[in-house]
Amino acid sequence: DGGITQSPKYLFRKEGQNVTLSCEQNLNHDAMYWYRQDPGQGLRLIYYSQIVNDFQKGDIAEGYSVSREKKESFPLTVTSAQKNPTAFYLCASSMKGPAGELFFGEGSRLTVL
Amino acid sequence: GQQLNQSPQSMFIQEGEDVSMNCTSSSIFNTWLWYKQDPGEGPVLLIALYKAGELTSNGRLTAQFGITRKDSFLNISASIPSDVGIYFCAGQKDTGRRALTFGSGTRLQVQP
Repeated sequence: DGGITQSPKYLFRKEGQNVTLSCEQNLNHDAMYWYRQDPGQGLRLIYYSQIVNDFQKGDIAEGYSVSREKKESFPLTVTSAQKNPTAFYLCASSMKGPAGELFFGEGSRLTVL
Repeated sequence: GQQLNQSPQSMFIQEGEDVSMNCTSSSIFNTWLWYKQDPGEGPVLLIALYKAGELTSNGRLTAQFGITRKDSFLNISASIPSDVGIYFCAGQKDTGRRALTFGSGTRLQVQP
C-alpha cells in the first residue's frame, strides 16, 4: 500500500544528544515536509523540500537539520541546539502542482529526559 | 509565521447535534483545507477548497471557502461518536511556498 512511514514512533533521548527521525514515502510525491506539534497547538513547519537535493527552512528551523538525497526519503535530525525538543513530529508529502493537499505519516513522539 | 485563528478551541456535544467551527486570517489564502487528527496519529484530509465562495460536502461534512479568501468554516451534521478528534484548518498562500499554515485546532468530544 502507498503511504508515508515514520520511524521510530516513540523515541527517548538524553539532553545533549542528536537524534534522527526517519520519513519514507512510496507515493512518488515530489515535495516533503516536517511539522512539529505541541499540546494544544497547531502544526508548525520545520523544513520542507520540493525537489531532491533542495530544501527550505520553515518557521521554526533552528536546532533542526534535514537532507533530501532521495525522492522517497526526508530524514529530520533534532540536534542538541534545539532548546525544547520534546514534541510530536509529523512528516508529510504532496504532489507537484498548485494544490496544497498534504498526506501525513503517523508521527514520531520524541521525549527528552 | 502566518497565523490562522481557529475557533472554538474545544466543543463537547451530544450525539446527533450539528457542529460548526471556523478559521480566520488577516491575510488572503488561495487554498483552504480541513484535516482531522485522531490521538497519536497524523492528520487526515477531510475537504479541500480552491475557489472563493466554494461550498463542498463530504458526507456529513460541509466546508466553505470565504468570499474574502480570509476565512473558512466546517460544519458536521448529525454528529456520531467517531467524529471525536481534533479538527485543523490549513491554508496555502500562492507565494511559491507550498507548505501549509495550520490553525491551532478544535477539539471535538461527542457524548453518546
